[in-house]
Amino acid sequence: QSALTQPASVSGSPGQSITISCTGTSSDVGGYKYVSWYQQHPGKAPKLMIYEVSNRPSGVSNRFSGSKSGNTASLTISGLQAEDEADYYCSSYTSSSTWVFGGGTKLTVL
Amino acid sequence: QVQLQGSGPGLVKPSQTLSLTCTVSGGSISSGGYYWSWIRQHPGKGLEWIGYIFYSGSTYYNPSLKSRVTISVDTSKNQFSLKLGSVTAADTAVYYCAGISTSDTSIPTWGQGTLVTVSS
Repeated sequence: QSALTQPASVSGSPGQSITISCTGTSSDVGGYKYVSWYQQHPGKAPKLMIYEVSNRPSGVSNRFSGSKSGNTASLTISGLQAEDEADYYCSSYTSSSTWVFGGGTKLTVL
Repeated sequence: QVQLQGSGPGLVKPSQTLSLTCTVSGGSISSGGYYWSWIRQHPGKGLEWIGYIFYSGSTYYNPSLKSRVTISVDTSKNQFSLKLGSVTAADTAVYYCAGISTSDTSIPTWGQGTLVTVSS
């Protein structure tokens, strides 16, 4: 199984919006609603930010939103804040009954 | 909210077996709400799903690691464990235990991570 494709890095200024893409295939991202997104600060465990493409867990800011079109899912962060600077990973359930992650995207808040 | 605490040796010799245990607190491992999983992260790299066990004992492994991986569960201790055999330096990573939701396949629960270094 190949990793999902994410941009290595994105950046934005405080208050701006950014979008991180996550491209897979019809056997994972395109075939299921089971796409999730994780935020990871250095030295910490990942934190669930979005599940089932666009749902936010309780406690996650509504500045975080998710969507999907075909084989590509996206995470949008609006009103960027310094605390959003972190690595972000997408994940999808697959037709092989496994889980696959993206390579990760480093978000820099300028 | 369920919490996970991983434990085990931080240093393993090449060709030996890596063994880690995860203790579940705040809920029963037999609740049926989670696939109890192991995920690893090579230094400076992305995440890799290793496999999971359900409380009933059914398992599913990453095909790329399947020949070397065993995940087991001890419901009496509310623990699950990972064994990875014939390790090499390429297995050096932070190993996370995690709970994958059986309802939506997301991963809301993670252990703190254990850095395992394979070196002689």
